[in-house]
Amino acid sequence: DVKVTQSSRYLVKRTGEKVFLECVQDMDHENMFWYRQDPGLGLRLIYFSYDVKMKEKGDIPEGYSVSREKKERFSLILESASTNQTSMYLCASLQDRGRYGYTFGSGTRLTVV
Amino acid sequence: QKEVEQNSGPLSVPEGAIASLNCTYSDRVSQSFFWYRQYSGKSPELIMSIYSNGDKEDGRFTAQLNKASQYVSLLIRDSQPSDSATYLCAVTGTSGTYKYIFGTGTRLKVLA
Repeated sequence: DVKVTQSSRYLVKRTGEKVFLECVQDMDHENMFWYRQDPGLGLRLIYFSYDVKMKEKGDIPEGYSVSREKKERFSLILESASTNQTSMYLCASLQDRGRYGYTFGSGTRLTVV
Repeated sequence: QKEVEQNSGPLSVPEGAIASLNCTYSDRVSQSFFWYRQYSGKSPELIMSIYSNGDKEDGRFTAQLNKASQYVSLLIRDSQPSDSATYLCAVTGTSGTYKYIFGTGTRLKVLA
């Protein structure tokens, strides 16, 4: 089975801190995604990457950046954390375009105080 | 704006009944359709995928797709309390098909 691992299950950070969320997948997937999920708003795409060093903005990229230096690792960076970035962050990986579903990591619940 | 719509629920069914979850989508070129189950506080887990019109069965789950009417549904037979979760519908979008569009989910409650 594909495994998508997010480095932290829970994080508490202070306003203004730079925050790194790490995601690693073990099945050589080209496509990786970062979503945030908030009650009533569903899954919102922040950034995605379809290859090493390639990235594209999703629907809500403001306040975030990403890094993909290696195929298996996709990092989400909160440049200066704010309280409105308190959320559940989900990383996902995709084997092949259109024929398979995403595999999600276990999620990181980030609280910014 | 391409959309996927689901009734937020909660949908309450008695244990042993059939739960029927529905999803409509707006993009006619969507080709692949997925159902995810998400327990409270957990991440989504893929339970069904369907690509062709008609029914696809996997154990107690049946996915139904009607591309002409642009809807996809999930039937859960013999519902169990452990099926209580939020069910997310996802469809492939038009831009290279790797950016999927998710509905906001339907919360299912199976009453013992």
